[in-house]
Amino acid sequence: QQQVKQSPQSLIVQKGGISIINCAYENTAFDYFPWYQQFPGKGPALLIAIRPDVSEKKEGRFTISFNKSAKQFSLHIMDSQPGDSATYFCAASKDPGGYNKLIFGAGTRLAVHP
Amino acid sequence: EAGVTQFPSHSVIEKGQTVTLRCDPISGHDNLYWYRRVMGKEIKFLLHFVKESKQDESGMPNNRFLAERTGGTYSTLKVQPAELEDSGVYFCASSRIAGGGTYEQYFGPGTRLTVT
Repeated sequence: QQQVKQSPQSLIVQKGGISIINCAYENTAFDYFPWYQQFPGKGPALLIAIRPDVSEKKEGRFTISFNKSAKQFSLHIMDSQPGDSATYFCAASKDPGGYNKLIFGAGTRLAVHP
Repeated sequence: EAGVTQFPSHSVIEKGQTVTLRCDPISGHDNLYWYRRVMGKEIKFLLHFVKESKQDESGMPNNRFLAERTGGTYSTLKVQPAELEDSGVYFCASSRIAGGGTYEQYFGPGTRLTVT
């Protein structure tokens, strides 16, 4: 039973385009929704996170959109660059600070072509 | 500040053998987590230490897996005996309370375990 569903599995975007990755969750007890970025040979690294009391959070070219009623959240990468090519994981936690275990989606492999 | 380190980076063992994975968290991080990613699937939680105590081990798949964190510093994860389905990448993460009351989990590079 996968508690966090992520799509698409892979994504190809042209340089300068917008990358959009979507996640859906089932457990309404989740209170913290981070996105992690992983480059080959490295571990996942926190990119940006949101709590359900806001509908959007932006950090540079990265934006999380959150829809509490639909139990969905998405990552938007504006002006995508080849250096953004990586695997992206959405996650959720019942703890507002991420103290408890993270429940991850299956990951999206993003390739940004020059 | 050194990051989370894991050893070995890659291990290939035969079914039935024993393997021990090691994780060194960031200095000062009381929280230590183990996760596993089977090829192409989600990263799954295994367990959470707070210092040397097991806070949550609900993700441990069975009693062939034994995790320890003696002295609240590094941690080991032993698989004995290993089965084919244990293959995957094992990640360790550590955290402490950060600004805003968040506990950002910092991940190590992982240990790729292949059981043949």
